[in-house]
Amino acid sequence: DGGITQSPKYLFRKEGQNVTLSCEQNLNHDAMYWYRQDPGQGLRLIYYSQIVNDFQKGDIAEGYSVSREKKESFPLTVTSAQKNPTAFYLCASSQGAGNQPQHFGDGTRLSIL
Amino acid sequence: QKEVEQDPGPLSVPEGAIVSLNCTYSNSAFQYFMWYRQYSRKGPELLMYTYSSGNKEDGRFTAQVDKSSKYISLFIRDSQPSDSATYLCAMGKGAGTASKLTFGTGTRLQVTL
Repeated sequence: DGGITQSPKYLFRKEGQNVTLSCEQNLNHDAMYWYRQDPGQGLRLIYYSQIVNDFQKGDIAEGYSVSREKKESFPLTVTSAQKNPTAFYLCASSQGAGNQPQHFGDGTRLSIL
Repeated sequence: QKEVEQDPGPLSVPEGAIVSLNCTYSNSAFQYFMWYRQYSRKGPELLMYTYSSGNKEDGRFTAQVDKSSKYISLFIRDSQPSDSATYLCAMGKGAGTASKLTFGTGTRLQVTL
């Protein structure tokens, strides 16, 4: 069954700690995205990648980092520089360039200990 | 002013009612329009995808785009309790780049028995 898998479902971060959220897709999509969802604010784009070994900052990239070493994987690291990391994080993918619809995973909820 | 405006609700309707969900936007460059359904603690699920103005029907769902008024709608006929969720509109611009989308904040729908 094709889809996007995000793990873990819940994650807790201590002060000063970096944490990494996993995103894997088997849809053979070229493009992948990371969003942050906060109540009343909709989805905000953190980073996106159109092809392997290339990625661009979105609207709220500060305090986050990504890598795209494989087509199917796009992990997101929430660094200690991100002062308000508590949110629901969503990973998505789409086919190639152009305005193809994005398909989402089921998210990771990150909280501060 | 946000590029995409969506009433957050909540919208409460009785089972069997026709539901109308709407978004307005300010950027005439948007050409692609999507509706997603999001259940609590889950990722958004693509419901409808349309290009430019006009109507598109899929089962109980109809998506309508009026580019002249910068207004899109999603109609749900014979609404069911299982339709209770948050509905997000999303919009994209021209082809040639990664499929960056702009999302509304979502409308929470409650269908009561």
